[in-house]
Amino acid sequence: NAGVTQTPKFRVLKTGQSMTLLCAQDMNHEYMYWYRQDPGMGLRLIHYSVGEGTTAKGEVPDGYNVSRLKKQNFLLGLESAAPSQTSVYFCASSYGATATYEQYFGPGTRLTVT
Amino acid sequence: GQQLNQSPQSMFIQEGEDVSMNCTSSSIFNTWLWYKQDPGEGPVLLIALYKAGELTSNGRLTAQFGITRKDSFLNISASIPSDVGIYFCAGHLSGSARQLTFGSGTQLTVLP
Repeated sequence: NAGVTQTPKFRVLKTGQSMTLLCAQDMNHEYMYWYRQDPGMGLRLIHYSVGEGTTAKGEVPDGYNVSRLKKQNFLLGLESAAPSQTSVYFCASSYGATATYEQYFGPGTRLTVT
Repeated sequence: GQQLNQSPQSMFIQEGEDVSMNCTSSSIFNTWLWYKQDPGEGPVLLIALYKAGELTSNGRLTAQFGITRKDSFLNISASIPSDVGIYFCAGHLSGSARQLTFGSGTQLTVLP
């Protein structure tokens, strides 16, 4: 099993450009999440999904959109990138069973917006 | 949002020494998780705790779920160079759906 994979690994964008980050998991997990990680800030939740076709806002959703058309994939979109979105983005997934909150992370996408 | 206070922010220790770090909150959590992040990688789950007072080990790592449910501790015994990295605590609050709250991390450096 590959676990959670993310593409691309690195990306440089100019202000105003758009891009989509792809997350895929092969563990048949119900839940998927997108986080951003900034120095000294820990991990902050952007959006999450509790199942195919559903999405919800997290702590810092502004400037991002997501889609979960297939259970194994979770896409994060930036419609008009801003320098404040320079960060490392992590995708995670978890089982849907109750009382099980362990999340498994991908390797990350390092995004720079100039 | 909810805050987890993780300390210390950074530690420099000699190889072979034991390490302790902790997370505290003013809120009650029903789950505590500890992750390690190597440079350039994603966080990897080390230990999961689900009961107040629970003490769980994973090799040289031992974590405890505080009795008050507002804190958790991670100990690493006999540190080795590959222990270098950032250690994160994460907690789940009742009623917060599947969302986790993360601490800001402890950067561990092991000196030879």
